[in-house]
Amino acid sequence: AQKITQTQPGMFVQEKEAVTLDCTYDTSDQSYGLFWYKQPSSGEMIFLIYQGSYDEQNATEGRYSLNFQKARKSANLVISASQLGDSAMYFCAMRERNAGNMLTFGGGTRLMVKP
Amino acid sequence: EAGVTQSPTHLIKTRGQQATLRCSPISGHTSVYWYQQALGLGLQFLLWYDEGEERNRGNFPPRFSGRQFPNYSSELNVNALELEDSALYLCASSGADLVKEETQYFGPGTRLLVL
Repeated sequence: AQKITQTQPGMFVQEKEAVTLDCTYDTSDQSYGLFWYKQPSSGEMIFLIYQGSYDEQNATEGRYSLNFQKARKSANLVISASQLGDSAMYFCAMRERNAGNMLTFGGGTRLMVKP
Repeated sequence: EAGVTQSPTHLIKTRGQQATLRCSPISGHTSVYWYQQALGLGLQFLLWYDEGEERNRGNFPPRFSGRQFPNYSSELNVNALELEDSALYLCASSGADLVKEETQYFGPGTRLLVL
């Protein structure tokens, strides 16, 4: 079974609108962390936001927020007020306490912001 | 503060040759991770080094190896190159970060092309 599933291969959003990128995960670990990264065409992976499995509040970092629904095992990324520079690949990743610090990545979502 | 740096940015080799990729972590970080991003295969964990020791290894053959130096920089060596080794190789580093669960910060990557 896939550990991290991103069901949206590509998405369009109008500039200045909000967009939600979906991520579901599968783990039997009680302690884990969820991460979102942005990968522009240059290739570098840029850290956006982190949510710990024991965190009771949803994480926020500027225009990024994470909609964490633990019972449903989902960790969706919400980008508010989209900008042209947000066009990129977005990856959801998980670090499980018992998996030796490795990150497991989803297949990614390509977001395209329209002017 | 300088981010993770990698060299070279691009590398072209022929089948059977050896490739050496280098990574310098963020100052103060002791852990270095290597990931492979091959077309169609997504991001896959290769190796984790911490304090000079290999701590975890992904599902890759032994011809993928590396080391970490006393200054925490790292080398990834790929022996007997095969065509399917063509990929973007990303290095990441992390340090003790009690808030963000040792978030991994990535470098710009090395694009390896095997002809």
